[in-house]
Amino acid sequence: AQSVTQLDSQVPVFEEAPVELRCNYSSSVSVYLFWYVQYPNQGLQLLLKYLSGSTLVKGINGFEAEFNKSQTSFHLRKPSVHISDTAEYFCAVRESNTGNQFYFGTGTSLTVIP
Amino acid sequence: KAGVTQTPRYLIKTRGQQVTLSCSPISGHRSVSWYQQTPGQGLQFLFEYFSETQRNKGNFPGRFSGRQFSNSRSEMNVSTLELGDSALYLCASSLPGQGSYEQYFGPGTRLTVT
Repeated sequence: AQSVTQLDSQVPVFEEAPVELRCNYSSSVSVYLFWYVQYPNQGLQLLLKYLSGSTLVKGINGFEAEFNKSQTSFHLRKPSVHISDTAEYFCAVRESNTGNQFYFGTGTSLTVIP
Repeated sequence: KAGVTQTPRYLIKTRGQQVTLSCSPISGHRSVSWYQQTPGQGLQFLFEYFSETQRNKGNFPGRFSGRQFSNSRSEMNVSTLELGDSALYLCASSLPGQGSYEQYFGPGTRLTVT
């Protein structure tokens, strides 16, 4: 089974500063990768996904992520954060050959400081 | 198209009781997954149903069970509730098969066990 690690449980960052949220997964088998965002009292919303092709993927709200197969990483970045980006961010992995089971990291709480 | 709906949104139960949570997937989605979300643990996979059959199961005790109906709606049941069952329970639906990869989440049911 996959193991997904989000090393930073909390990330404070000043408004308009850049941010990177880190995600590493355990297995080098073929995978699909996702980042989800969760605002307070809401479910998870898809930010972006990597299925194949270009290793740099762009998502909603100005976020992007880069897939690095050799390092089994899928870090999320944004060049300039806004107050509205304050939320919980989850990295998720789905193996391409084992059906529909997703494995989630424990989440990173991003707090944007005005 | 309506999103994933979950009922009820909030629930308070006492130890030893049982509870049933409901999830209605996006129209046309046939796969429904359930997750338990607790602070510090992230999302823990409970089970996945597809075409009324449990296809995957996480590492939870037998007190946690589920089912799916012919219209793809799903219910989750927890018997003999324990304090540690207090959590946000999330349901996610997806189109299984080629070309459909991400899961769409409902807002969750907040269960408090006292």
